[in-house]
Amino acid sequence: KNEVEQSPQNLTAQEGEFITINCSYSVGISALHWLQQHPGGGIVSLFMLSSGKKKHGRLIATINIQEKHSSLHITASHPRDSAVYICAVHLNRDDKIIFGKGTRLHILP
Amino acid sequence: DSGVTQTPKHLITATGQRVTLRCSPRSGDLSVYWYQQSLDQGLQFLIQYYNGEERAKGNILERFSAQQFPDLHSELNLSSLELGDSALYFCASNPGTVFGGELFFGEGSRLTVL
Repeated sequence: KNEVEQSPQNLTAQEGEFITINCSYSVGISALHWLQQHPGGGIVSLFMLSSGKKKHGRLIATINIQEKHSSLHITASHPRDSAVYICAVHLNRDDKIIFGKGTRLHILP
Repeated sequence: DSGVTQTPKHLITATGQRVTLRCSPRSGDLSVYWYQQSLDQGLQFLIQYYNGEERAKGNILERFSAQQFPDLHSELNLSSLELGDSALYFCASNPGTVFGGELFFGEGSRLTVL
């Protein structure tokens, strides 16, 4: 079993829909990152969380440390949100970073 | 623009060869991370340097090595290249003053081994 699991693997939705991407992990962490990777490869950091909730524009990220679970929400989704969203955790045991396999999101106009 | 610069952007070479990938972190960032992204493995953490010292090591092969120089730029050396080393290699940096701080990624170096 992977130490970081994301769901769903693929998601297609209509423009305007509310999107939720989930990340569960089984290890002790010091922080969790949500990353966005567009076709063409560039990676952008969306959020870094160690507790609670953060909001940036239409994006919201939450983390529940006790349940070892984080969610990334996109409100009023738009075709430009189409990308791969990757969850990554920073381990507190040895400073390493482990990535989820990503969620491929496709927003239809 | 993240402020992290990686060169070269693209590199094509043959099996058995050696290449060096270079990363210049954002101004003031002390930590540099290297990652490999291949089609079948996804993103894999290779190694982290902080202010010139190795801080964490991930799934980095013995054929690969890295270092961070006094001016804080970093190089990833890949030797005895194999077909399976073809991948995107990303560098990221952060200030390193807060454990697990936000990561700023370069655009990546795409390595093709023929």
